[in-house]
Amino acid sequence: EAQVTQNPRYLITVTGKKLTVTCSQNMNHEYMSWYRQDPGLGLRQIYYSMNVEVTDKGDVPEGYKVSRKEKRNFPLILESPSPNQTSLYFCASSLGGPPSYEQYFGPGTRLTVT
Amino acid sequence: GDSVTQMEGPVTLSEEAFLTINCTYTATGYPSLFWYVQYPGEGLQLLLKATKADDKGSNKGFEATYRKETTSFHLEKGSVQVSDSAVYFCALTSGTYKYIFGTGTRLKVLA
Repeated sequence: EAQVTQNPRYLITVTGKKLTVTCSQNMNHEYMSWYRQDPGLGLRQIYYSMNVEVTDKGDVPEGYKVSRKEKRNFPLILESPSPNQTSLYFCASSLGGPPSYEQYFGPGTRLTVT
Repeated sequence: GDSVTQMEGPVTLSEEAFLTINCTYTATGYPSLFWYVQYPGEGLQLLLKATKADDKGSNKGFEATYRKETTSFHLEKGSVQVSDSAVYFCALTSGTYKYIFGTGTRLKVLA
């Protein structure tokens, strides 16, 4: 089944403890992206990647890192999480970059930083 | 910078009512416009899109027309169903690989 998977789905952690949220797609997609969803703010793009080893900042990259060493994986790294990073995170992928290709979203990761 | 403004929700309608969710945008150049839908507990799904002025996107009975003169991309459906209850997001891309989303509008349809 074609899909985008994220792990973990739920995570509660403490301020400053490094964490990684994994994202994997099995559709051979070139474009991958991370978003955070917050009440009243909608969806905001954190980072995106056009292909292996090619990444760029979205609108809210501060406090996050990404890497794209393999085409299928695009992990999101929080090296020193803070409470303002408590959010619902989505990974998405598409065959190519916008606007021509549909994005497919993962199920989301709910992160709480205390 | 580029931005998308959506009407505040929630929108509550009775089944078979007409739906309009307003979306306006600010962008340099010639953006492409999208509507995404998020059902409870799920990720977003593309509902429809339009890539140039006067294009009409349509899917599952929903429609939206790209109006350059009013910088709008309003979502409409003639007769909503309970199963349409979800959060709807308007979004754009404009000459880059970045997406800009609106804040979302929650729709609740009552039987």
